[in-house]
Amino acid sequence: DAKTTQPNSMESNEEEPVHLPCNHSTISGTDYIHWYRQLPSQGPEYVIHGLTSNVNNRMASLAIAEDRKSSTLILHRATLRDAAVYYCIPTNTGNQFYFGTGTSLTVIP
Amino acid sequence: ETGVTQSPTHLIKTRGQQVTLRCSSQSGHNTVSWYQQALGQGPQFIFQYYREEENGRGNFPPRFSGLQFPNYSSELNVNALELDDSALYLCASSLDLTGGHTIYFGEGSWLTVV
Repeated sequence: DAKTTQPNSMESNEEEPVHLPCNHSTISGTDYIHWYRQLPSQGPEYVIHGLTSNVNNRMASLAIAEDRKSSTLILHRATLRDAAVYYCIPTNTGNQFYFGTGTSLTVIP
Repeated sequence: ETGVTQSPTHLIKTRGQQVTLRCSSQSGHNTVSWYQQALGQGPQFIFQYYREEENGRGNFPPRFSGLQFPNYSSELNVNALELDDSALYLCASSLDLTGGHTIYFGEGSWLTVV
């Protein structure tokens, strides 16, 4: 399983974009990069995932570096509901997740 | 709504007792994984079942065991409970083992061991 490095915490003002970085330099060629977020006392919530190309969905965008050793989750306009712990999880076939410590995002009104 | 439901939501057990936690996956999801999340930590992978067979295990002792049933439900059993087993237990399901599928988590079962 690939090791990940994420900032312990980040802050953002409400309605501003947020860029959450993740380093996964030991990623293998077939690992997908998943992002999940977790609110206190809740299960992790799917945000987005990708393999090589940048990905967009209604929640966020995922920018993957060309060498795949890092990725950035982009929340285009942070809201108070986006305050959570964000996990970056490289995953191979089998979909067995090895979570790191994640980034705790605080959104300031 | 993820379509993954877990029960019970909260329970308290005494050290040395046994506990069974249950999970109902989305219909058609042949893969279920269980995770343990201690307070302030990220979830830790316990094991995974695929089509009713164990398909991988994390660093957990044999007193953690599981079952997966044909009706897309599953169980996590923990014997000889220890105080350190107090945690949130999460169930996650996906269609199969192919990489790139979305994995859906339940809301978890909070276990307190006293």
